[in-house]
Amino acid sequence: GENVEQHPSTLSVQEGDSAVIKCTYSDSASNYFPWYKQELGKGPQLIIDIRSNVGEKKDQRIAVTLNKTAKHFSLHITETQPEDSAVYFCAPLSGGSYIPTFGRGTSLIVHP
Amino acid sequence: KAGVTQTPRYLIKTRGQQVTLSCSPISGHRSVSWYQQTPGQGLQFLFEYFSETQRNKGNFPGRFSGRQFSNSRSEMNVSTLELGDSALYLCASSLGNMNTEAFFGQGTRLTVV
Repeated sequence: GENVEQHPSTLSVQEGDSAVIKCTYSDSASNYFPWYKQELGKGPQLIIDIRSNVGEKKDQRIAVTLNKTAKHFSLHITETQPEDSAVYFCAPLSGGSYIPTFGRGTSLIVHP
Repeated sequence: KAGVTQTPRYLIKTRGQQVTLSCSPISGHRSVSWYQQTPGQGLQFLFEYFSETQRNKGNFPGRFSGRQFSNSRSEMNVSTLELGDSALYLCASSLGNMNTEAFFGQGTRLTVV
């Protein structure tokens, strides 16, 4: 099965700084790469995703970059705000599979 | 459109009891997946149902079971509860095709005492 590692496990930044979370996967057949945000007391919510034929995707302050050769993809958040504080999960999906493998999560804390 | 609805939100059960959790997916979604979330193990996949059939299964003991109805609503059942079953149980619905977005409910917080 897919092995997924997510780093760092905790990230503390000042408001306005940038934050980067990296996800490494093992299955070279993976072709769908989403990031989820989970706020306290809520279920995970998709915030951005990328497919294997694209290297980068941006949506306002968040972006995802994909390096298929090195088998990793990263979440970039610019101009962080306190409401960005949450746990972020990567969940790559292998080709031929319907079930993503979730990383262990990164707790992002944005200090005002 | 309405999101994924999980009931109940909170449950307290005693060891040895059984429990049934319910998930109503987004209208039109045929796939429902269940996950167990704990601080120590993260998000672990339990099983997935598609069109009333279990299509994928994770690595959990047979005490964990589920089913899906013709309207795509799903239930999961845990029998002979153990203290270690205390967790947040999440369900996610999707269209069921590969590489499609999963939408999560808010979860059911199960505490076993």
